[in-house]
Amino acid sequence: GAGVSQSPSNKVTEKGKDVELRCDPISGHTALYWYRQRLGQGLEFLIYFQGNSAPDKSGLPSDRFSAERTGGSVSTLTIQRTQQEDSAVYLCASSLAFRQGNYGYTFGSGTRLTVV
Amino acid sequence: AQKVTQAQTEISVVEKEDVTLDCVYETRDTTYYLFWYKQPPSGELVFLIRRNSFDEQNEISGRYSWNFQKSTSSFNFTITASQVVDSAVYFCALSERKAAGNKLTFGGGTRVLVKP
Repeated sequence: GAGVSQSPSNKVTEKGKDVELRCDPISGHTALYWYRQRLGQGLEFLIYFQGNSAPDKSGLPSDRFSAERTGGSVSTLTIQRTQQEDSAVYLCASSLAFRQGNYGYTFGSGTRLTVV
Repeated sequence: AQKVTQAQTEISVVEKEDVTLDCVYETRDTTYYLFWYKQPPSGELVFLIRRNSFDEQNEISGRYSWNFQKSTSSFNFTITASQVVDSAVYFCALSERKAAGNKLTFGGGTRVLVKP
């Protein structure tokens, strides 16, 4: 597609349940990022995938969070045993790598997760 | 570690006034990239500009202009003759140039409210 697609756009889940958030990046973009944005706050880096390299997981807040990227394209962010503090908008972005002439990231519309 | 500070949390102006958003960054790298993003009420992040650390030339794009001062580690953004449609949260971000990746570090954002 023309942009970064995220699904679902909204997710309400009960505390303790697992959730999966999906990101479909721009075709040809080798880099994919997940960020979290709590209400009224800035963006927190979660995880970064670049080609076949090992992902940079340095931003994942706990071992309940994991992400994978299959075939260098679609990515899934999984949150296990969700807590109320996980409520936020989860944003995905994709970009070309610097060596490919990275002129900025393209962000998806995000998934708004509400844990009740 | 890299850090971006946007000291202004919210700015309110009347339409047609100019507004300047401050951004101060910290990095140990000599090569890095600075970005500004706009996040309107719809929530999607819109890329505005990327600036390389080795290019201190200021830039103007329509009513938007950017002032990059390497000596003070600042990358300020000015909206001239503001309009109601400029109401949004604006984020400054920094990306260091590393072989392993180029994740963005965001400032906390500045909410701009333009009143008619």
